[in-house]
Amino acid sequence: GQQVMQIPQYQHVQEGEDFTTYCNSSTTLSNIQWYKQRPGGHPVFLIQLVKSGEVKKQKRLTFQFGEAKKNSSLHITATQTTDVGTYFCAGRRNTGFQKLVFGTGTRLLVSP
Amino acid sequence: DVKVTQSSRYLVKRTGEKVFLECVQDMDHENMFWYRQDPGLGLRLIYFSYDVKMKEKGDIPEGYSVSREKKERFSLILESASTNQTSMYLCASVQGGFDTEAFFGQGTRLTVV
Repeated sequence: GQQVMQIPQYQHVQEGEDFTTYCNSSTTLSNIQWYKQRPGGHPVFLIQLVKSGEVKKQKRLTFQFGEAKKNSSLHITATQTTDVGTYFCAGRRNTGFQKLVFGTGTRLLVSP
Repeated sequence: DVKVTQSSRYLVKRTGEKVFLECVQDMDHENMFWYRQDPGLGLRLIYFSYDVKMKEKGDIPEGYSVSREKKERFSLILESASTNQTSMYLCASVQGGFDTEAFFGQGTRLTVV
């Protein structure tokens, strides 16, 4: 079953507010990736984190990988209407084939 | 740019029909995946393939099978479609290696009536 959970499932913010989504895995991950899916579109890769405790930034987006490599977060500062979409984390486990498992996703709605 | 193409954007099938969803990628990637996307459940892995004629079950393989006769093509088969298989199906392609991103097709919205 699903072993990568994301919270919240849905969030509605006013433009300019901050937003954070959290990703939690039941097993240790070799790396974690984040994807964005615009309404009506398909998931598009944003970034990958590999090292324990790693933090990466892309303009207003900050991505973090937990020390135990079992959780991650995406924080958006001062949201814009262009940030609307569903954000997914995806992880690969340390063992076995390259099974890429996606989280449940967080749908973000931004009102102007 | 990598291109992943799914054969249909929308599909309506009757209960009990055998359904084929096709996916083709043009970048010689080793790994290909089939996911289904349902509200609140995210993307759930159905099957994946790491080489021609090789396949592995994902988290929800029941009611599905796959075929990979050529490296560029990965087919998802619904042996006998049921209404609970109504969903968005997404194909993804990934080059070999642990640090590579997935490229997705545009998705096929399948409705089983």
